[in-house]
Amino acid sequence: DQQVKQNSPSLSVQEGRISILNCDYTNSMFDYFLWYKKYPAEGPTFLISISSIKDKNEDGRFTVFLNKSAKHLSLHIVPSQPGDSAVYFCAASASGNTPLVFGKGTRLSVIA
Amino acid sequence: DTAVSQTPKYLVTQMGNDKSIKCEQNLGHDTMYWYKQDSKKFLKIMFSYNNKELIINETVPNRFSPKSPDKAHLNLHINSLELGDSAVYFCASSQEPLAGGYTFGSGTRLTVV
Repeated sequence: DQQVKQNSPSLSVQEGRISILNCDYTNSMFDYFLWYKKYPAEGPTFLISISSIKDKNEDGRFTVFLNKSAKHLSLHIVPSQPGDSAVYFCAASASGNTPLVFGKGTRLSVIA
Repeated sequence: DTAVSQTPKYLVTQMGNDKSIKCEQNLGHDTMYWYKQDSKKFLKIMFSYNNKELIINETVPNRFSPKSPDKAHLNLHINSLELGDSAVYFCASSQEPLAGGYTFGSGTRLTVV
């Protein structure tokens, strides 16, 4: 039973264009959402997060959008750079010290 | 200076053996975790410790036993290894689960042959 779903296993984008990675969740108790980036042979690294009281959070080239009614969030990267090529994991958490629940990840390839 | 370090990075062993994976964090975090990434690439929580005490134990076989001698260390011991235990195991730590997320180690790739 996947509570966090990333339905696109891979995405290919040209350098300089926008990358949009999507994530859906089923558990309405989730109130905090995060994106992680993972390079091969390394652990996931925290990228950006958003609380359920917001619908947008921006950090440089990275913006996360949250649509609570649709139980959907997305990560926008603009402009995309070759160094952004990695696997991106969406994660969610409910209040009360519950552990993060991760999606399967989307492999982003930014082509120069 | 690695924040969350795991050893070994790679581990190849035969079925039936017992092995341990060590994890140490120098961030002063109170909570540590073990996650398993299987062949389908899911990252699944196995255990969570807060200040040396077990707070979450997901449906994990009894052959897996975490040990936390102090809040900076969370080791994972696995008895009677099986083929299905082959995966990448990630250790992580956090101070506040809802602030800044978790800091992960680089993972231990376990291959059982």
